[in-house]
Amino acid sequence: GAGVSQSPSNKVTEKGKDVELRCDPISGHTALYWYRQSLGQGLEFLIYFQGNSAPDKSGLPSDRFSAERTGGSVSTLTIQRTQQEDSAVYLCASSGGTEYNSPLHFGNGTRLTVT
Amino acid sequence: SQQGEEDPQALSIQEGENATMNCSYKTSINNLQWYRQNSGRGLVHLILIRSNEREKHSGRLRVTLDTSKKSSSLLITASRAADTASYFCATDSGGSNYKLTFGKGTLLTVNP
Repeated sequence: GAGVSQSPSNKVTEKGKDVELRCDPISGHTALYWYRQSLGQGLEFLIYFQGNSAPDKSGLPSDRFSAERTGGSVSTLTIQRTQQEDSAVYLCASSGGTEYNSPLHFGNGTRLTVT
Repeated sequence: SQQGEEDPQALSIQEGENATMNCSYKTSINNLQWYRQNSGRGLVHLILIRSNEREKHSGRLRVTLDTSKKSSSLLITASRAADTASYFCATDSGGSNYKLTFGKGTLLTVNP
């Protein structure tokens, strides 16, 4: 079946503009994560959705970042008033269970460049 | 902050040799997972080891977990050029917190 899909794959934007990044998780997956990966670095946790529970937003770096998950499926990560330090690859992942032993399935990411 | 930290940061070996990567973490966990990332791609799950397990095998992969030392190792035997990738460990924070945090990874280069 289809994997996790992210769009766009690449986004170039001017400093100060808003951007929206989209993630389509695997159908039926209840957990959805957003991570950020800077060049040559590890993954920085941003936000975690699990079913109908309140999301864990503890990783969002500033109030310019927000995310929503509509109908328990598609998620959108919004960055307002983008800054150059926001340039990174934004990765989305979903997993199929509420248990701690569910592996994550990742999309290929959106590469964001802020000029 | 990072829960898991891998070492070495980079490892270069010849095809056919074994590669060992280590991961250390700070708090108690439910499980530890290893992922692989090829350049420009998302991460792919390799193997999961639960906190009550000490060793697990999958094909050419062998993972160990020492909860007393809060550390894990990933061994890839008989490496191939196609194993060239970054390898990350991921841990939860124990209890009912299922949020996974990742280390900075080990970049493995297997030379043909």
